Amino acid sequence: FDLTQSPSLFVSPGQTATIPCSGERLGDRYTSWYQVKPGQSPVVVIYQDSKRPSGIPERFSGSSSGDIASLTIYGTQAMDEADYYCQAWDTNTGGVFGGGTKLTVL
Amino acid sequence: QLQLQESGPRLVRPSETLSLTCSVSGGSVRSAFYWAWVRQPPGKGFEWIGTLHHGGDTYSNPSLKSRLLISVDTSKNEVSLKLNSATAADTALYYCARSTDVLTGFFLDYWGQGTQVTVSS
Repeated sequence: FDLTQSPSLFVSPGQTATIPCSGERLGDRYTSWYQVKPGQSPVVVIYQDSKRPSGIPERFSGSSSGDIASLTIYGTQAMDEADYYCQAWDTNTGGVFGGGTKLTVL
Repeated sequence: QLQLQESGPRLVRPSETLSLTCSVSGGSVRSAFYWAWVRQPPGKGFEWIGTLHHGGDTYSNPSLKSRLLISVDTSKNEVSLKLNSATAADTALYYCARSTDVLTGFFLDYWGQGTQVTVSS
């Protein structure tokens, strides 16, 4: 079981950023998303496909269907520039991470 | 506030055992939560190592399973990792994290700061 992410995404401030993650039957599993800024530990921004932990801005949204899960950031801000990783659980391979997407806001 | 702190040797010789400890404060390892180890090799993405519960439920990355031992010490409120026969490929930033259970997808809601381990002679 593998998760595939595009290595990079560029977005202008205020625009919407959508980061896809593809994997077999992702829609049948729970996907979580982690934000990683330089020198900091990962922070979960979406869990169970679409739930936001307390303290995560409402502009972060998640969805999942078929083989694709997506993290969407509405009104992207400079502070959202970071690496984003998807993760899902597989009964054979355990907690698999995607390769990560570097989001650049410029 | 839950805090996780990884510790252990920063340098490990090839073929030796890589040993790390995660000290848990502000919470108990005997809670309903699971505990996980994750690593990030230099310049690469994350690799899940393993997840366990104090009650014995344990999951390991198949690619590491033959070399891996993860455990919980309830008396010390710690989680530990031992990876034997270390090679340069085990050089990474190692994280301890709290995990939810299978019903919620085993997501990682608290992470330690990570500890860098280098395998080199």
